[in-house]
Amino acid sequence: GAGVSQSPSNKVTEKGKDVELRCDPISGHTALYWYRQSLGQGLEFLIYFQGNSAPDKSGLPSDRFSAERTGGSVSTLTIQRTQQEDSAVYLCASSPGSGAYNEQFFGPGTRLTVL
Amino acid sequence: QQPVQSPQAVILREGEDAVINCSSSKALYSVHWYRQKHGEAPVFLMILLKGGEQKGHEKISASFNEKKQQSSLYLTASQLSYSGTYFCGTGDYGGSQGNLIFGKGTKLSVKP
Repeated sequence: GAGVSQSPSNKVTEKGKDVELRCDPISGHTALYWYRQSLGQGLEFLIYFQGNSAPDKSGLPSDRFSAERTGGSVSTLTIQRTQQEDSAVYLCASSPGSGAYNEQFFGPGTRLTVL
Repeated sequence: QQPVQSPQAVILREGEDAVINCSSSKALYSVHWYRQKHGEAPVFLMILLKGGEQKGHEKISASFNEKKQQSSLYLTASQLSYSGTYFCGTGDYGGSQGNLIFGKGTKLSVKP
């Protein structure tokens, strides 16, 4: 079946502009995660959605970052007033249940470059 | 709190063994291991759960010491395909259920 997909694959924007990154999880997966990976760095947790529960937003680095998950499926990560330090690869992952007990399936990522 | 991985990098010859460690300052209920090849998404290797349950690839071996809050990944008879960066992700009781915090990774290079 189809895996996790993300769009766009690459995004170049100017400092101060807003960007939206999209994630389509595997059908039926109730958990969805966003991570950020800077060059040569690890996976930085951003936000976690699990079913109809309130999302865990504890990893969002500032109030410029927000995310939504509509209908328990597609998710959009929005970065407002982008800064150069926001440049990174943004990875989305989904899981059939609680991610602590289930494998996470990662998408190919969106490479964001802020000029 | 981010788990600490060691070593940061290791170079092996084909056929050699390696151990990658992951330790946390918090009580853990799960440890995940993923491998990421350059330019690709991370791929699942194994989950180790409190109580001894494990889920993952048969050829991968790992341990989870709950008391020491540590996990180790054992790579034996390494192959060229093992090259990549290995990440551990930990689920601790301080975070929300399902949330994982990943370490900075261990870069493994296997040479012919």
